[in-house]
Amino acid sequence: QMQLVQSGPEVKKPGTSVKVSCKASGFTFSHSAMQWVRQTRGQRLEWMGWIVVGSGNTNYAQKFQERVTITRDMSTSTAHMELSSLTFEDTAVYYCARGSMGLDYWGQGTLVTVSS
Amino acid sequence: DIQMTQSPSSLSASVGDRVTITCRASQGISNYLNWYQQKPGKAPNLLIYAASSLQSGVPSRFSGGGSGTDFTLTISSLQPEDFATYYCQQNYITPYTFGQGTKLEIK
Repeated sequence: QMQLVQSGPEVKKPGTSVKVSCKASGFTFSHSAMQWVRQTRGQRLEWMGWIVVGSGNTNYAQKFQERVTITRDMSTSTAHMELSSLTFEDTAVYYCARGSMGLDYWGQGTLVTVSS
Repeated sequence: DIQMTQSPSSLSASVGDRVTITCRASQGISNYLNWYQQKPGKAPNLLIYAASSLQSGVPSRFSGGGSGTDFTLTISSLQPEDFATYYCQQNYITPYTFGQGTKLEIK
């Protein structure tokens, strides 16, 4: 069945970077678009950006433009999201999700905690 | 960025009730509007895409409507498993912003 499995929780210090992975199975990864969304403690959902897997084209939210990089590895059907220059406000659950219209499959989420 | 505003922010209702949640966009988004359900500790689950298309596997008691700036999600007869938080999202133009959520609680 279709599945997105994300990497495990991370604890990072302010100013450092985090890289979250998202391994896809059960569908044609190369024909997909993968999006990244985060959810802070206040429960607000924030769209971060996406990658069109086949072409590698990316689009990032202006808020994260300078700090986020989304990549994919088609040999392992894995998407990655790297966020740099972390601050306490980046503490959140990070989700990958598939889709270009509605997001029909989601990973289980990765908790990233930024703590000194 | 397009602002998405949901109302109400929270709602108490009983099993069997008909419930409607609204979502308003700060500018026209045609029908590029999705609805999600989220339960505690879980990822969101797609219910409706393109404003009114029911996602495969979602019960028919869920329906969506609207176009332009005003949209609705209706649950025709609430079931116990429907008590959750609901979010709208526009995918008309990036960033694909979400509403703040509507928490549906048992009365």
